[in-house]
Amino acid sequence: DTEVTQTPKHLVMGMTNKKSLKCEQHMGHRAMYWYKQKAKKPPELMFVYSYEKLSINESVPSRFSPECPNSSLLNLHLHALQPEDSALYLCASSQTNMGLAGGETQYFGPGTRLLVL
Amino acid sequence: AQSVTQLGSHVSVSEGALVLLRCNYSSSVPPYLFWYVQYPNQGLQLLLKYTTGATLVKGINGFEAEFKKSETSFHLTKPSAHMSDAAEYFCAVSARYNQGGKLIFGQGTELSVKP
Repeated sequence: DTEVTQTPKHLVMGMTNKKSLKCEQHMGHRAMYWYKQKAKKPPELMFVYSYEKLSINESVPSRFSPECPNSSLLNLHLHALQPEDSALYLCASSQTNMGLAGGETQYFGPGTRLLVL
Repeated sequence: AQSVTQLGSHVSVSEGALVLLRCNYSSSVPPYLFWYVQYPNQGLQLLLKYTTGATLVKGINGFEAEFKKSETSFHLTKPSAHMSDAAEYFCAVSARYNQGGKLIFGQGTELSVKP
């Protein structure tokens, strides 16, 4: 099973709302990633978790708050977002993140399409 | 530091024609190279990757790519395009000994296939 699942598929929220995105994998991977992708652009890395600890934060605004409750689950908590935060949010996982030094594959989920009004 | 340049933001081919998507990389250390495909409203799927060994890499759906160190290129090819190949294609690089697992993506190439 090489599947990464994400819920919800679509989300519309107002600028004062609080919502969460969820990502799950059951491949035994110990690294998980959040990316943001605007239309017609490549994914931009936001956060990396390695062994349930935050290892990379790409200077993401604090209105995005990641959480890794266990090795299979990754959440992204959203609060007071701006319209420019509207995008496709992709989750990915790999066996380890140090393993990318060995050419590991990142497996991507289908994404959550977020619209901030 | 690493970077990736994909030549051509949009490529159009006829069904049955050769597909050639160009990717050049810059890396101060030996790179690992990836091609991902993204179909509309979906996530990214790995087509193929180069890590070590044979420089001609075969992937899924009939795609292949050749790592050419002297040209710093990793172009993606497919002998005969199919309508289902229409998608966005991303080339990506990750450096060996890279700490933290960062993939550096190119800007992407949208492939259209005409009947």
